[in-house]
Amino acid sequence: AQSVTQLDSHVSVSEGTPVLLRCNYSSSYSPSLFWYVQHPNKGLQLLLKYTSAATLVKGINGFEAEFKKSETSFHLTKPSAHMSDAAEYFCVVSDDPGRDDKIIFGKGTRLHILP
Amino acid sequence: KAGVTQTPRYLIKTRGQQVTLSCSPISGHRSVSWYQQTPGQGLQFLFEYFSETQRNKGNFPGRFSGRQFSNSRSEMNVSTLELGDSALYLCASRPTGTRGSPLHFGNGTRLTVT
Repeated sequence: AQSVTQLDSHVSVSEGTPVLLRCNYSSSYSPSLFWYVQHPNKGLQLLLKYTSAATLVKGINGFEAEFKKSETSFHLTKPSAHMSDAAEYFCVVSDDPGRDDKIIFGKGTRLHILP
Repeated sequence: KAGVTQTPRYLIKTRGQQVTLSCSPISGHRSVSWYQQTPGQGLQFLFEYFSETQRNKGNFPGRFSGRQFSNSRSEMNVSTLELGDSALYLCASRPTGTRGSPLHFGNGTRLTVT
């Protein structure tokens, strides 16, 4: 069965410092993995996705994530945090066994940016 | 392409009433999913429709129902509203048949039950 664990419910970093949001997954198949961002009272916006091509995936707004199969991880990073990055981030796994794939969301990590 | 459109944006209802929320997916997307988001429970999957058929269902009572029309537009209905139904309801669409196709979300309908 597939699952997603976001290891931190809250992360605080200072503006201009690196961001690391951690995500571990389990999957019976070759998974597709996604990171989404949600700003207050908005829907979720896709940051990046991994679908078995390059293991280092670049997304929007300077974010990137690395798929590590041996560690079953898909951590999200950004070299330098900006105040506008303050939001909630969700790691998502899709098993994709044919068309009837299930999509599982992590519980989210709230990112706080300190001035 | 226009994004996922949810209407209305805000709703205030009274306990015991019923409510219908609407979602128009991105053109060409045949799968529509609904999620409930609350501070306490986080993001919870309600159901997914594909080609007018419910394909997956979350663990919600029968008061929560949905349907999808031939043009892929979807509606969600909640009957006999309870205070605990106050939440942000999110709709998401995606194309299917393409491996790893991501969900595209609307901005949600904020439902307040008083």
